[in-house]
Amino acid sequence: DAKTTQPNSMESNEEEPVHLPCNHSTISGTDYIHWYRQLPSQGPEYVIHGLTSNVNNRMASLAIAEDRKSSTLILHRATLRDAAVYYCIRPNNDMRFGAGTRLTVKP
Amino acid sequence: EAGVAQSPRYKIIEKRQSVAFWCNPISGHATLYWYQQILGQGPKLLIQFQNNGVVDDSQLPKDRFSAERLKGVDSTLKIQPAKLEDSAVYLCASSPLGGGGTEAFFGQGTRLTVV
Repeated sequence: DAKTTQPNSMESNEEEPVHLPCNHSTISGTDYIHWYRQLPSQGPEYVIHGLTSNVNNRMASLAIAEDRKSSTLILHRATLRDAAVYYCIRPNNDMRFGAGTRLTVKP
Repeated sequence: EAGVAQSPRYKIIEKRQSVAFWCNPISGHATLYWYQQILGQGPKLLIQFQNNGVVDDSQLPKDRFSAERLKGVDSTLKIQPAKLEDSAVYLCASSPLGGGGTEAFFGQGTRLTVV
């Protein structure tokens, strides 16, 4: 039980922004939200994490809803190399992954 | 900085045989995870270690799977005897601490095929 809900798949055009949603309605006040992605034939790699405030790093931005029951991973300009499965998890509970969202980027 | 090392990268065995996977986490990382990833699915957590103690092994099929982390550094995962449904990629990950404050780093995985 990953305790997060994500769409199975999404599509984006190259060089356009992508907003990947995640619902975590049972989140507690001290639970972090982490995002990982998995490129084909590779292990998952860390993307970003946050607790309450929105976060930015060189890979992406994380927007966390005020009630913290949902969050959105934002890729500002999708590239073909961003095609991957994206996972949203709550590692304070446990490091369990769901099925994630498979992102397809079209040229 | 060296990443999480796993070996072997690939393994093919017959059903009912035994197999072992090895993981060397990033130096200084207290938390180590083993996952099983079946094709088309997300990684399934098998066991989590904090130093050399088990934190969570609730999803480990203990009748055939075992794992140890001697001295709180590297770890081995064993399957004995293997079944066809054990065909999967076995991933190892490590983190400085458990919980949500720090990220986890994953190895490339070991692809197991049971025939």
